[in-house]
Amino acid sequence: DAKTTQPNSMESNEEEPVHLPCNHSTISGTDYIHWYRQLPSQGPEYVIHGLTSNVNNRMASLAIAEDRKSSTLILHRATLRDAAVYYCILRIGNQGGKLIFGQGTELSVKP
Amino acid sequence: DGGITQSPKYLFRKEGQNVTLSCEQNLNHDAMYWYRQDPGQGLRLIYYSQIVNDFQKGDIAEGYSVSREKKESFPLTVTSAQKNPTAFYLCASSIVGVGSNQPQHFGDGTRLSIL
Repeated sequence: DAKTTQPNSMESNEEEPVHLPCNHSTISGTDYIHWYRQLPSQGPEYVIHGLTSNVNNRMASLAIAEDRKSSTLILHRATLRDAAVYYCILRIGNQGGKLIFGQGTELSVKP
Repeated sequence: DGGITQSPKYLFRKEGQNVTLSCEQNLNHDAMYWYRQDPGQGLRLIYYSQIVNDFQKGDIAEGYSVSREKKESFPLTVTSAQKNPTAFYLCASSIVGVGSNQPQHFGDGTRLSIL
């Protein structure tokens, strides 16, 4: 199974940008990069996904390296509500679309 | 509002007992999934279904069973064969798209504990 590597934890100040890195050196050509986040005792929430090009939505931006072996989730202005565990996931197309979750990065946001 | 409803929120199981966790969605999604999460860990796939009356085992299916008789419903039974069932169980659904670009929508989970 394709794997991702993320830092265990990161800290940010409120209203500052946050860059959450993810390495996925074994990614194959048809694997999409998905990001989810999870608050305590809740189900994960979809954040963003991409294949090759950088992506923007109302929640975040996703920057994908040219060789696709790494990506960065960018939160432009962190708020206290952004404190969560962020998961970087490779979505495998030939395996029923299942998500393979790693340990994720626990983001804390300081006021 | 459209979404996924899991019930109950908390569930207790006695030794040797089967329990069933409910998952209902009104998003008109074809695909549904069950995941298990242990403390401090990521989610692991138990079973998934891409169409009514069909489902496949995930990575940790032993001790679990599912059914998919209706598009809206995908109940999970934790059998007595599952020796370590204490965990947080999450249900998800998605559109079945070409490739792997469809996001999954998750319920709020059921926390199962052993008495």
